[in-house]
Amino acid sequence: EPEVTQTPSHQVTQMGQEVILRCVPISNHLYFYWYRQILGQKVEFLVSFYNNEISEKSEIFDDQFSVERPDGSNFTLKIRSTKLEDSAMYFCASSLLGGTGDTQYFGPGTRLTVL
Amino acid sequence: AQKITQTQPGMFVQEKEAVTLDCTYDTSDPSYGLFWYKQPSSGEMIFLIYQGSYDQQNATEGRYSLNFQKARKSANLVISASQLGDSAMYFCAMREGDRMTTDSWGKLQFGAGTQVVVTP
Repeated sequence: EPEVTQTPSHQVTQMGQEVILRCVPISNHLYFYWYRQILGQKVEFLVSFYNNEISEKSEIFDDQFSVERPDGSNFTLKIRSTKLEDSAMYFCASSLLGGTGDTQYFGPGTRLTVL
Repeated sequence: AQKITQTQPGMFVQEKEAVTLDCTYDTSDPSYGLFWYKQPSSGEMIFLIYQGSYDQQNATEGRYSLNFQKARKSANLVISASQLGDSAMYFCAMREGDRMTTDSWGKLQFGAGTQVVVTP
């Protein structure tokens, strides 16, 4: 069964460093998303991406964040200068279409720890 | 205002019993979708079941069913015949509108989750 994959599973970085989180969405899906979950808290939307551009972003997704689809399979989230409060689980998700009922399938997550 | 409210932070249930997880939502959009996801201790998010706002019947998927009460804006998840492997955090989520009617491109908004522990 096709699935969303994410690498790495765990990333430890120093405050101020840049990190790139990688995702391979399900191959025929057209819509891509990043969410984050700070430990013990709810899952929060960061950004959605369609047709090679950002469709929607939350207040969390400030200038420190960027997304890219560098080739036909990868979808990346870059954090330019990490802060302590960026420590969280980051989930990539994809969906075939963008409709209300279209299920988003999540990857296993990347746990980011900023020291 | 919270879009999705899950009032039960944690629940214990005995194996083979049924459990109902509460979810209420807030939207003025006539078109929306409601989703339940399971998050085991390993951390991944597993899709369980979906209910559309226009669906006439309650959704079912195996041991999962959704008690959808539109007028009350509730979408409770029922897990029947609980198994030890059902122990996990369960999240209710909503997706409002669609790109024909809103600027929303389908973000999911999640509740705080309910931790379920199934005991032998």
